[in-house]
Amino acid sequence: TQLLEQSPQFLSIQEGENLTVYCNSSSVFSSLQWYRQEPGEGPVLLVTVVTGGEVKKLKRLTFQFGDARKDSSLHITAAQPGDTGLYLCAGGRGNKLVFGAGTILRVKS
Amino acid sequence: DTGVSQNPRHKITKRGQNVTFRCDPISEHNRLYWYRQTLGQGPEFLTYFQNEAQLEKSRLLSDRFSAERPKGSFSTLEIQRTEQGDSAMYLCASSLSWGGDNSPLHFGNGTRLTVT
Repeated sequence: TQLLEQSPQFLSIQEGENLTVYCNSSSVFSSLQWYRQEPGEGPVLLVTVVTGGEVKKLKRLTFQFGDARKDSSLHITAAQPGDTGLYLCAGGRGNKLVFGAGTILRVKS
Repeated sequence: DTGVSQNPRHKITKRGQNVTFRCDPISEHNRLYWYRQTLGQGPEFLTYFQNEAQLEKSRLLSDRFSAERPKGSFSTLEIQRTEQGDSAMYLCASSLSWGGDNSPLHFGNGTRLTVT
């Protein structure tokens, strides 16, 4: 059983559509991080959310941390083919990060 | 700052052989992590170092796996008597310890191991 459950596992959409992916846990985290990974490369940090209820925006990406700090969401507005990749959420446990299995996003032009 | 560097990028080996991977972290980062990632999964924690001390090892890390960071700079991960189940992407990441759980990880581009 994953400590962090991500949904959906796979999402294929057309350019210009909006989408939301989710990261859920039964555990409380002091923070959650979102990473994006492209094939053959390592994950790259997008954002860290720390405060319950926090909303952070990164251009067309909006990240939200749940009030109880157990879940997070990533919303992408007007998706572009360059958004294609594996989106991973990660939470701190001790002095390491544990990752969800990720959402594979494919944006078709 | 050239980022985290991993070598080799790809390694194909026969079952039973030993392999060694190298990771060069960002120079001022005192923490170094090894993760393993298989297709369709997120990275799984293997072990981490703070400076030269190995502070935690996952139960995933069998006795065939050993990691070192002798001078608190680069690290090596050795797998002895490789098995087909060891085939995966091995990712190295580094960070500063000041942020605790909130410290972001800077990943290398990984070493893809294929055991035939």
